[in-house]
Amino acid sequence: GQNIDQPTEMTATEGAIVQINCTYQTSGFNGLFWYQQHAGEAPTFLSYNVLDGLEEKGRFSSFLSRSKGYSYLLLKELQMKDSASYLCAVRDGGNSGYSTLTFGKGTMLLVSP
Amino acid sequence: DAGITQSPRHKVTETGTPVTLRCHQTENHRYMYWYRQDPGHGLRLIHYSYGVKDTDKGEVSDGYSVSRSKTEDFLLTLESATSSQTSVYFCAISDGYSNQPQHFGDGTRLSIL
Repeated sequence: GQNIDQPTEMTATEGAIVQINCTYQTSGFNGLFWYQQHAGEAPTFLSYNVLDGLEEKGRFSSFLSRSKGYSYLLLKELQMKDSASYLCAVRDGGNSGYSTLTFGKGTMLLVSP
Repeated sequence: DAGITQSPRHKVTETGTPVTLRCHQTENHRYMYWYRQDPGHGLRLIHYSYGVKDTDKGEVSDGYSVSRSKTEDFLLTLESATSSQTSVYFCAISDGYSNQPQHFGDGTRLSIL
Protein backbone atom coordinates (compact mmCIF):
# COMPACT_ATOMS: atom_id res chain seq x y z
CA GLY A 1 0.00 0.00 0.00
CA GLN A 2 0.85 3.64 -0.04
CA ASN A 3 0.98 6.25 2.72
CA ILE A 4 1.57 9.87 1.79
CA ASP A 5 1.83 12.70 4.29
CA GLN A 6 1.65 16.44 3.71
CA PRO A 7 0.93 19.33 6.06
CA THR A 8 -2.74 20.26 6.05
CA GLU A 9 -2.32 24.02 5.84
CA MET A 10 0.41 26.62 5.37
CA THR A 11 0.40 30.40 5.25
CA ALA A 12 2.89 32.73 3.62
CA THR A 13 3.26 36.32 2.53
CA GLU A 14 3.23 37.67 -1.00
CA GLY A 15 6.77 37.79 -2.42
CA ALA A 16 8.12 35.21 0.01
CA ILE A 17 9.34 31.63 -0.53
CA VAL A 18 7.47 28.60 0.79
CA GLN A 19 8.41 24.92 0.91
CA ILE A 20 5.71 22.24 1.00
CA ASN A 21 6.95 18.84 2.15
CA CYS A 22 5.69 15.40 1.23
CA THR A 23 6.81 12.11 2.76
CA TYR A 24 5.77 8.73 1.48
CA GLN A 25 5.99 5.04 2.35
CA THR A 26 5.09 2.92 -0.65
CA SER A 27 5.21 -0.68 -1.78
CA GLY A 28 6.49 0.48 -5.18
CA PHE A 29 7.74 3.74 -6.63
CA ASN A 30 7.82 4.98 -10.19
CA GLY A 31 7.76 8.74 -9.85
CA LEU A 32 6.25 11.57 -7.85
CA PHE A 33 3.95 14.28 -9.15
CA TRP A 34 2.88 17.64 -7.77
CA TYR A 35 -0.45 19.15 -8.72
CA GLN A 36 -2.06 22.52 -7.96
CA GLN A 37 -5.78 22.76 -7.31
CA HIS A 38 -7.65 26.03 -6.91
CA ALA A 39 -10.92 25.90 -5.00
CA GLY A 40 -13.73 24.49 -7.11
CA GLU A 41 -11.42 23.57 -9.98
CA ALA A 42 -9.62 20.53 -11.34
CA PRO A 43 -6.06 19.62 -10.29
CA THR A 44 -3.44 20.82 -12.77
CA PHE A 45 0.01 19.30 -13.24
CA LEU A 46 3.00 21.19 -11.85
CA SER A 47 6.03 18.89 -11.77
CA TYR A 48 7.36 15.34 -12.00
CA ASN A 49 10.38 13.73 -10.30
CA VAL A 50 11.61 10.18 -10.72
CA LEU A 51 15.34 10.63 -10.06
CA ASP A 52 16.91 12.20 -6.98
CA GLY A 53 17.50 15.90 -7.20
CA LEU A 54 15.91 19.18 -8.04
CA GLU A 55 13.68 19.98 -11.02
CA GLU A 56 13.19 23.69 -11.68
CA LYS A 57 10.34 25.17 -13.67
CA GLY A 58 10.08 28.93 -13.41
CA ARG A 59 8.98 30.02 -9.93
CA PHE A 60 8.31 26.40 -8.96
CA SER A 61 10.91 23.73 -8.12
CA SER A 62 10.48 20.18 -6.88
CA PHE A 63 12.99 17.98 -5.08
CA LEU A 64 13.08 14.22 -4.57
CA SER A 65 15.07 11.92 -2.30
CA ARG A 66 14.05 8.33 -2.98
CA SER A 67 16.18 6.90 -0.17
CA LYS A 68 14.39 9.12 2.35
CA GLY A 69 10.93 8.84 0.80
CA TYR A 70 10.79 12.64 0.72
CA SER A 71 9.89 15.38 -1.71
CA TYR A 72 9.26 19.08 -1.48
CA LEU A 73 7.71 21.72 -3.69
CA LEU A 74 9.36 25.13 -3.51
CA LEU A 75 7.40 28.19 -4.57
CA LYS A 76 9.34 31.44 -5.00
CA GLU A 77 8.16 35.04 -5.33
CA LEU A 78 4.74 34.09 -4.06
CA GLN A 79 1.73 35.72 -5.66
CA MET A 80 -1.84 35.93 -4.43
CA LYS A 81 -2.89 33.57 -7.23
CA ASP A 82 -0.69 30.86 -5.67
CA SER A 83 -3.29 30.45 -2.93
CA ALA A 84 -4.47 26.92 -3.66
CA SER A 85 -4.21 23.31 -2.53
CA TYR A 86 -1.02 21.47 -3.51
CA LEU A 87 -1.28 17.72 -4.02
CA CYS A 88 1.58 15.24 -3.82
CA ALA A 89 1.00 11.98 -5.72
CA VAL A 90 3.13 8.85 -6.00
CA ARG A 91 3.03 6.49 -8.98
CA ASP A 92 3.38 2.87 -7.98
CA GLY A 93 4.75 -0.19 -9.69
CA GLY A 94 5.14 -0.68 -13.41
CA ASN A 95 6.37 1.60 -16.11
CA SER A 96 3.04 1.90 -17.87
CA GLY A 97 -0.45 3.23 -17.47
CA TYR A 98 -1.33 0.14 -15.45
CA SER A 99 0.43 1.85 -12.61
CA THR A 100 -1.79 4.16 -10.62
CA LEU A 101 -1.36 7.35 -8.63
CA THR A 102 -1.93 7.60 -4.90
CA PHE A 103 -2.56 11.15 -3.70
CA GLY A 104 -1.81 12.80 -0.40
CA LYS A 105 -4.61 14.77 1.21
CA GLY A 106 -3.20 18.04 -0.05
CA THR A 107 -1.70 21.15 1.53
CA MET A 108 -3.83 24.28 1.52
CA LEU A 109 -1.58 27.31 0.98
CA LEU A 110 -2.90 30.75 1.82
CA VAL A 111 -0.89 33.70 0.53
CA SER A 112 -1.59 36.99 2.27
CA PRO A 113 -0.68 40.54 1.13
CA ASP B 1 -5.61 21.97 -22.25
CA ALA B 2 -6.38 18.27 -22.50
CA GLY B 3 -9.75 17.64 -24.16
CA ILE B 4 -11.75 16.12 -21.34
CA THR B 5 -15.43 16.75 -20.79
CA GLN B 6 -17.39 15.50 -17.81
CA SER B 7 -21.16 15.45 -17.74
CA PRO B 8 -23.23 16.42 -15.94
CA ARG B 9 -21.28 19.07 -14.05
CA HIS B 10 -23.77 19.11 -11.19
CA LYS B 11 -26.41 16.62 -10.13
CA VAL B 12 -28.76 16.27 -7.18
CA THR B 13 -30.59 13.00 -6.75
CA GLU B 14 -32.22 10.83 -4.13
CA THR B 15 -30.93 7.81 -2.25
CA GLY B 16 -31.58 4.57 -4.09
CA THR B 17 -31.66 6.00 -7.60
CA PRO B 18 -29.18 4.97 -10.30
CA VAL B 19 -26.69 7.61 -11.47
CA THR B 20 -24.34 7.57 -14.44
CA LEU B 21 -21.50 10.05 -14.92
CA ARG B 22 -19.81 10.40 -18.27
CA CYS B 23 -16.23 11.25 -19.17
CA HIS B 24 -15.46 12.05 -22.79
CA GLN B 25 -11.96 12.66 -24.18
CA THR B 26 -10.72 13.85 -27.54
CA GLU B 27 -7.03 13.00 -26.95
CA ASN B 28 -7.21 9.33 -27.96
CA HIS B 29 -5.44 8.41 -24.72
CA ARG B 30 -5.48 4.76 -23.71
CA TYR B 31 -5.85 5.24 -19.96
CA MET B 32 -8.79 6.76 -18.13
CA TYR B 33 -9.50 7.06 -14.41
CA TRP B 34 -12.34 7.95 -12.06
CA TYR B 35 -11.58 9.59 -8.69
CA ARG B 36 -13.68 10.99 -5.91
CA GLN B 37 -12.54 13.90 -3.76
CA ASP B 38 -13.81 14.45 -0.23
CA PRO B 39 -12.68 16.79 2.54
CA GLY B 40 -10.14 15.07 4.76
CA HIS B 41 -9.52 12.29 2.25
CA GLY B 42 -8.08 13.88 -0.83
CA LEU B 43 -8.37 12.24 -4.23
CA ARG B 44 -9.10 8.52 -4.16
CA LEU B 45 -9.15 6.20 -7.16
CA ILE B 46 -12.45 4.43 -7.83
CA HIS B 47 -11.84 2.53 -11.09
CA TYR B 48 -9.56 2.87 -14.07
CA SER B 49 -9.39 1.63 -17.64
CA TYR B 50 -6.38 0.61 -19.70
CA GLY B 51 -8.25 0.08 -22.94
CA VAL B 52 -11.64 -0.55 -24.48
CA LYS B 53 -13.50 -3.05 -22.28
CA ASP B 54 -10.43 -3.30 -19.98
CA THR B 55 -11.04 -1.96 -16.49
CA ASP B 56 -9.81 -2.54 -12.96
CA LYS B 57 -10.75 -1.55 -9.42
CA GLY B 58 -9.16 1.21 -7.42
CA GLU B 59 -9.02 1.93 -3.72
CA VAL B 60 -12.73 2.75 -3.21
CA SER B 61 -14.62 0.73 -5.83
CA ASP B 62 -17.47 -0.66 -3.69
CA GLY B 63 -20.84 0.61 -4.91
CA TYR B 64 -19.48 1.71 -8.29
CA SER B 65 -19.23 0.11 -11.70
CA VAL B 66 -17.65 1.37 -14.92
CA SER B 67 -17.81 0.70 -18.62
CA ARG B 68 -15.69 1.66 -21.59
CA SER B 69 -17.16 0.62 -24.92
CA LYS B 70 -15.04 3.03 -26.99
CA THR B 71 -11.75 4.82 -26.49
CA GLU B 72 -13.25 8.25 -25.93
CA ASP B 73 -15.89 7.44 -23.31
CA PHE B 74 -15.60 6.14 -19.75
CA LEU B 75 -18.81 5.83 -17.73
CA LEU B 76 -19.13 5.63 -13.95
CA THR B 77 -22.37 4.17 -12.57
CA LEU B 78 -23.77 4.21 -9.08
CA GLU B 79 -26.35 1.43 -9.26
CA SER B 80 -28.20 2.57 -6.12
CA ALA B 81 -26.85 5.85 -4.84
CA THR B 82 -26.25 6.36 -1.11
CA SER B 83 -25.61 9.55 0.83
CA SER B 84 -22.01 8.43 1.42
CA GLN B 85 -21.43 8.78 -2.32
CA THR B 86 -22.05 12.52 -2.19
CA SER B 87 -18.77 13.86 -3.49
CA VAL B 88 -16.93 15.61 -6.29
CA TYR B 89 -16.00 13.14 -9.02
CA PHE B 90 -13.04 13.72 -11.33
CA CYS B 91 -12.14 11.91 -14.49
CA ALA B 92 -8.51 11.82 -15.61
CA ILE B 93 -6.69 10.60 -18.70
CA SER B 94 -3.11 9.70 -19.57
CA ASP B 95 -1.19 8.37 -22.54
CA GLY B 96 0.64 5.83 -20.40
CA TYR B 97 4.19 7.11 -20.75
CA SER B 98 5.80 7.07 -17.33
CA ASN B 99 6.85 10.70 -17.25
CA GLN B 100 3.53 12.02 -18.47
CA PRO B 101 0.98 13.21 -15.94
CA GLN B 102 -2.67 12.45 -15.69
CA HIS B 103 -4.86 15.33 -16.86
CA PHE B 104 -8.13 15.99 -15.12
CA GLY B 105 -11.61 16.98 -16.23
CA ASP B 106 -13.48 19.81 -14.50
CA GLY B 107 -15.34 17.47 -12.15
CA THR B 108 -18.93 16.55 -11.37
CA ARG B 109 -20.45 17.69 -8.09
CA LEU B 110 -22.90 14.97 -7.02
CA SER B 111 -25.29 15.39 -4.09
CA ILE B 112 -27.38 12.46 -2.89
CA LEU B 113 -30.19 13.38 -0.55
